[in-house]
Amino acid sequence: GENVEQHPSTLSVQEGDSAVIKCTYSDSASNYFPWYKQELGKGPQLIIDIRSNVGEKKDQRIAVTLNKTAKHFSLHITETQPEDSAVYFCAASIARWRAGTALIFGKGTTLSVSS
Amino acid sequence: DAGVTQSPTHLIKTRGQQVTLRCSPKSGHDTVSWYQQALGQGPQFIFQYYEEEERQRGNFPDRFSGHQFPNYSSELNVNALLLGDSALYLCASSTRQAPPTDTQYFGPGTRLTVL
Repeated sequence: GENVEQHPSTLSVQEGDSAVIKCTYSDSASNYFPWYKQELGKGPQLIIDIRSNVGEKKDQRIAVTLNKTAKHFSLHITETQPEDSAVYFCAASIARWRAGTALIFGKGTTLSVSS
Repeated sequence: DAGVTQSPTHLIKTRGQQVTLRCSPKSGHDTVSWYQQALGQGPQFIFQYYEEEERQRGNFPDRFSGHQFPNYSSELNVNALLLGDSALYLCASSTRQAPPTDTQYFGPGTRLTVL
């Protein structure tokens, strides 16, 4: 079945460093790849997304890259700040004809930024 | 503009009981998806409702059922509760009326504990 693998499971960086989280997906039909940030006791918050017709997208300190051939996509956070500490999830779309889009999630990466 | 809302926030039930969780999508959204998030895991897709019909379903037993109302709000029902049903239940809303139709916004979730 469809699967998304996410690495690493935990990541500790110093404030100001960069953080990179990588994901691999299995369904070649996937064409939408969002990233969510989840803080303790809250629901996932969409932080950036990318579609298969684009290789890279950037929003201030956050960027996402996509390699459809290799079925890889990555999240890059530059100049990390303590408030970036959270669990980050990647996801890939599963679309069925006339049925809308469902998301398959990775298992998450716990990012800790120390000052 | 209100985001996705869910009720109740927390719920404690015993094995064998039934539970109903509620979700109101973002203003202007017409599609509701439900996800189950076990502790330390990524969300897992349960099902999606659009035009008051279940349109797509993940790998969950028939004990999980749902409903969507004419105002687009939705309910998730779980019968014959098992200990393993303890999780955070997330509702996500999206729209098919205008692109992007694949972007999903999550609510804060309902924490269900089964004793």
